[in-house]
Amino acid sequence: DGGITQSPKYLFRKEGQNVTLSCEQNLNHDAMYWYRQDPGQGLRLIYYSQIVNDFQKGDIAEGYSVSREKKESFPLTVTSAQKNPTAFYLCASSISGGSSYEQYFGPGTRLTVT
Amino acid sequence: AQSVTQLGSHVSVSEGALVLLRCNYSSSVPPYLFWYVQYPNQGLQLLLKYTSAATLVKGINGFEAEFKKSETSFHLTKPSAHMSDAAEYFCAVSVWMDSSYKLIFGSGTRLLVRP
Repeated sequence: DGGITQSPKYLFRKEGQNVTLSCEQNLNHDAMYWYRQDPGQGLRLIYYSQIVNDFQKGDIAEGYSVSREKKESFPLTVTSAQKNPTAFYLCASSISGGSSYEQYFGPGTRLTVT
Repeated sequence: AQSVTQLGSHVSVSEGALVLLRCNYSSSVPPYLFWYVQYPNQGLQLLLKYTSAATLVKGINGFEAEFKKSETSFHLTKPSAHMSDAAEYFCAVSVWMDSSYKLIFGSGTRLLVRP
């Protein structure tokens, strides 16, 4: 079955530690995205990538970093510079960055930092 | 700036009643619009999308939405609610920004279904 996997489902970290969230897709999609979701809010775009070895900042990129070394993979690192990292993180992909193409979402990773 | 407004953070209906979730958008060009559903602690699943082919769009699970340009609306409806429809619903618009298309999401509407 094709889809997007995110691991782990739940992640706990101490304040001051960097943490990397995994996102893998086998849909052969060119574009991949990372969103942050907080209670009562919509999704906010952190980073996105249209092709391998290229990515752009979204609306709330500060304190996050990404890489896109392979088409299938788009890991997100939450650094210690992120002031409020506790949130639900969603990875998505689409065929390309074209306007009519829907995004497919992974199951999400819930990160708790204490 | 282009945006999406979902009226009502919570909507409660009885099982079997009509479901109506409201979405209004602002866009300077013909938009591409989407409705997604999210069950607790899960990712988003596409319900339906509008891409200008037809103003009434049918989606999965018996949902449909009607694009009304004059009202800049894309409301989601279902004739008869099931308990399994209880979830959060997000409306989104695709916008051209910073040399690429991005999805702008509304803040979501949580649907509660009473037995």
